[in-house]
Amino acid sequence: DADVTQTPRNRITKTGKRIMLECSQTKGHDRMYWYRQDPGLGLRLIYYSFDVKDINKGEISDGYSVSRQAQAKFSLSLESAIPNQTALYFCATSDSWTYEQYFGPGTRLTVT
Amino acid sequence: AQSVTQLDSQVPVFEEAPVELRCNYSSSVSVYLFWYVQYPNQGLQLLLKYLSGSTLVKGINGFEAEFNKSQTSFHLRKPSVHISDTAEYFCAATTRGGTSGSRLTFGEGTQLTVNP
Repeated sequence: DADVTQTPRNRITKTGKRIMLECSQTKGHDRMYWYRQDPGLGLRLIYYSFDVKDINKGEISDGYSVSRQAQAKFSLSLESAIPNQTALYFCATSDSWTYEQYFGPGTRLTVT
Repeated sequence: AQSVTQLDSQVPVFEEAPVELRCNYSSSVSVYLFWYVQYPNQGLQLLLKYLSGSTLVKGINGFEAEFNKSQTSFHLRKPSVHISDTAEYFCAATTRGGTSGSRLTFGEGTQLTVNP
């Protein structure tokens, strides 16, 4: 089984809809992250969490919110989806020592 | 704030040729550096990392990278590529220590295409 799982893997939604992307991990890491990937821009950090009670904005948090329900679960919500939020979204985890991040398989989101 | 620049967006090469993917970073403090690979329709997988010690770092699949502090570079190399190396490669950096540690800054990515 994969260490970091994301659901759904693909989602098409309409402008204005609320959508939640979910991430679960079995690595026992405290730190979790949400990124979005756009062609030519690499990965950009949306939100990150160093533990259940510590949630921080990344470089592009506007229009997004997150919830850390447990050490193993970190959800990303789009309150009112817009077309320029069409992207590939990745969840990642890391420990506190090596800083190496482990990525999920990604969620491809299309907002029409 | 740190930044990471990958100097080539696309690198086409022939099978069994050597390849170098270039990465420069800017940071006023010490950094940890990483190279990740993304195969089609998959997440990112760590190729190699530089934390400290030897400036030549060896990773998986025959890749290696050299940390050059004076030139603020961390170029990825492989002496002989295979078709299966076709993928997108990302360079990433984070500053050492403190609460900002482990927040990765990624480069824009380099698409490596290996042709027969």
